[in-house]
Amino acid sequence: EAQVTQNPRYLITVTGKKLTVTCSQNMNHEYMSWYRQDPGLGLRQIYYSMNVEVTDKGDVPEGYKVSRKEKRNFPLILESPSPNQTSLYFCASSTQGLPPLFFGPGTRLTVT
Amino acid sequence: AQSVTQLGSHVSVSEGALVLLRCNYSSSVPPYLFWYVQYPNQGLQLLLKYTSAATLVKGINGFEAEFKKSETSFHLTKPSAHMSDAAEYFCAVSPSNDYKLSFGAGTTVTVRA
Repeated sequence: EAQVTQNPRYLITVTGKKLTVTCSQNMNHEYMSWYRQDPGLGLRQIYYSMNVEVTDKGDVPEGYKVSRKEKRNFPLILESPSPNQTSLYFCASSTQGLPPLFFGPGTRLTVT
Repeated sequence: AQSVTQLGSHVSVSEGALVLLRCNYSSSVPPYLFWYVQYPNQGLQLLLKYTSAATLVKGINGFEAEFKKSETSFHLTKPSAHMSDAAEYFCAVSPSNDYKLSFGAGTTVTVRA
C-alpha cells in the first residue's frame, strides 16, 4: 500500500530537549516536504527536498533542521524545541513536477 | 510572492444543497492552484488541481473548481452536499516552476441533515 508514515504520532516534550520526527514513504518519490498546521493559519511549509541531498527552506524554517540521506526518509529535527513549536506536523511526498499528493497522518507535538 | 485567501472560515450547508467555497489568490506568475480536503484526524488529500489546461477542473467526490484569471479566483463547488463532505478544505497556490506551496487558512464545512 502506497503511504507516508510518520513517527511518533503524539509527542509531549520539554523545552530544549532535542527531538526527531521521522517520515518515510514507500513510493520512490523524489519530492518530500514538511508542514506545520496551526489553527487559523492553515499549513505552512517548513522545509522541502527535491531529491537526495537536496533540501531548501520553506516559509517557516527557523528552529528546524532536515536531512535527506535516503530517498525514502526525510526526518524533521528540532535541536532545541520551544513552546511556539507546539503544533500539528505533516510530512508529504510526490513525484517530480506534481504537488504534494500523499500526506502522512500527522504528528501532534506539545512543547512545555 | 504568492498568497491565498479563503473567504469564510466556516460554511454550513444542508444535505443536498450547493457547496461553494471561495478562494482568491495573488501570484506574480501564472500559478498552479489546488484544493485539498482534510477529514477529522487525518492528513490532507488532493481534491483537484489546475495546471493551466482547462479552466474548469473536475476532482474527486463530485467536486469541481473554476479558474478565473480576471477575478484571480479558484472557487470550489459541489452541486449536492453529502454528510460525508463534512471536513476542512484548503486552497493552495504554487508558481509553475517551484515546489513551494502556500496554503489558505482553511474552511470548515458542516453538513446539516
